[in-house]
Amino acid sequence: GAGVSQSPSNKVTEKGKDVELRCDPISGHTALYWYRQSLGQGLEFLIYFQGNSAPDKSGLPSDRFSAERTGGSVSTLTIQRTQQEDSAVYLCASSLGRPGSTDTQYFGPGTRLTVL
Amino acid sequence: GQQLNQSPQSMFIQEGEDVSMNCTSSSIFNTWLWYKQDPGEGPVLLIALYKAGELTSNGRLTAQFGITRKDSFLNISASIPSDVGIYFCAGYNFNKFYFGSGTKLNVKP
Repeated sequence: GAGVSQSPSNKVTEKGKDVELRCDPISGHTALYWYRQSLGQGLEFLIYFQGNSAPDKSGLPSDRFSAERTGGSVSTLTIQRTQQEDSAVYLCASSLGRPGSTDTQYFGPGTRLTVL
Repeated sequence: GQQLNQSPQSMFIQEGEDVSMNCTSSSIFNTWLWYKQDPGEGPVLLIALYKAGELTSNGRLTAQFGITRKDSFLNISASIPSDVGIYFCAGYNFNKFYFGSGTKLNVKP
């Protein structure tokens, strides 16, 4: 597609349930990023995928969070046993990811997660 | 992690006024970026800066990459109502992007 797409756009869940958030990056972009944005705050880095390399998970807030990227394209962010503090907008971004070069990233519209 | 300090946190201005916001960091960055986020949308890239001292314009927007590589500013001239939104700075190093906390701009017609 023309841009980064994310689904669902909104997700309401009960505390303790698992959720899966999906990201479709721009075709040809090898780098994919997940961020979390709490109300009125900046973006908090969660995880970064570059091609087929092992992901940089340094931003994941707890072991309840995991992400995978199948075939170097679509990515799924999974949050297990959700807590109320997980409520936020989860943004995905992709970039060309050419090693050794400067890069810019393009964002999807986000998934608004509400944990009741 | 690397922290970006963005100011001001919010601004209320009259249509037609010029606006300035800036970002500082204790760390050096190779690239500085400025994004705008509208409600319910993801951030959209406005300007990317790749070299220390670089001054780049995009319409009414002008941004500069500080000489020390630890700061950047964004100016908006002759503001209009559709400039309303949240503006984020971001620094890029070694495949990671670090974001400021945003400047919320309100423009009164």
